[in-house]
Amino acid sequence: SQTIHQWPATLVQPVGSPLSLECTVEGTSNPNLYWYRQAAGRGLQLLFYSVGIGQISSEVPQNLSASRPQDRQFILSSKKLLLSDSGFYLCAWSLNGDQPQHFGDGTRLSIL
Amino acid sequence: AQKVTQAQTEISVVEKEDVTLDCVYETRDTTYYLFWYKQPPSGELVFLIRRNSFDEQNEISGRYSWNFQKSTSSFNFTITASQVVDSAVYFCALSEGDTGRRALTFGSGTRLQVQP
Repeated sequence: SQTIHQWPATLVQPVGSPLSLECTVEGTSNPNLYWYRQAAGRGLQLLFYSVGIGQISSEVPQNLSASRPQDRQFILSSKKLLLSDSGFYLCAWSLNGDQPQHFGDGTRLSIL
Repeated sequence: AQKVTQAQTEISVVEKEDVTLDCVYETRDTTYYLFWYKQPPSGELVFLIRRNSFDEQNEISGRYSWNFQKSTSSFNFTITASQVVDSAVYFCALSEGDTGRRALTFGSGTRLQVQP
């Protein structure tokens, strides 16, 4: 069966520091991969999606970036965090665009 | 652009009551998919159901049922005989666009509290 791992579970970072969140999927090949952000008490906003290695599409302009160095690895990064980057970040995968997306446990990011 | 509206921000019921969560969507596509997800206090999103735009049959799964009506662009979710474990935030989502993207547009969620 397929599983998705996302870490760390929580992270507290100072403003201006770098960020790296990692997500890996097991049990499937060439999945679609997604990064979402959920602000407190709100719905989820798509940040990035990827349909293959090295293929990244950005949904909203921001100081975050994403990379997919391996088939089942998806990384969310920032060179300098802003206060507005605080939130709950969720990674998800799907077999293809028509199938349900399955989410990781999320990373709660607090910027001080 | 697609849009998903969950007008009910928060609902509180007493255990064993039935409760319906509303979802209204907007899309220009003729082919699209609708989803419901549950987010318990622990934070992870749990997939509940997927419906394609060509299948308007209502679906029942245990205490859960879904009513999809294209005429009113609604995809409502009913929990029968609610239980405390049903307490969570429930999200309705819409998927459309090219196959490679199929990203989800989420509603703002409905927080359901089931009191014992």
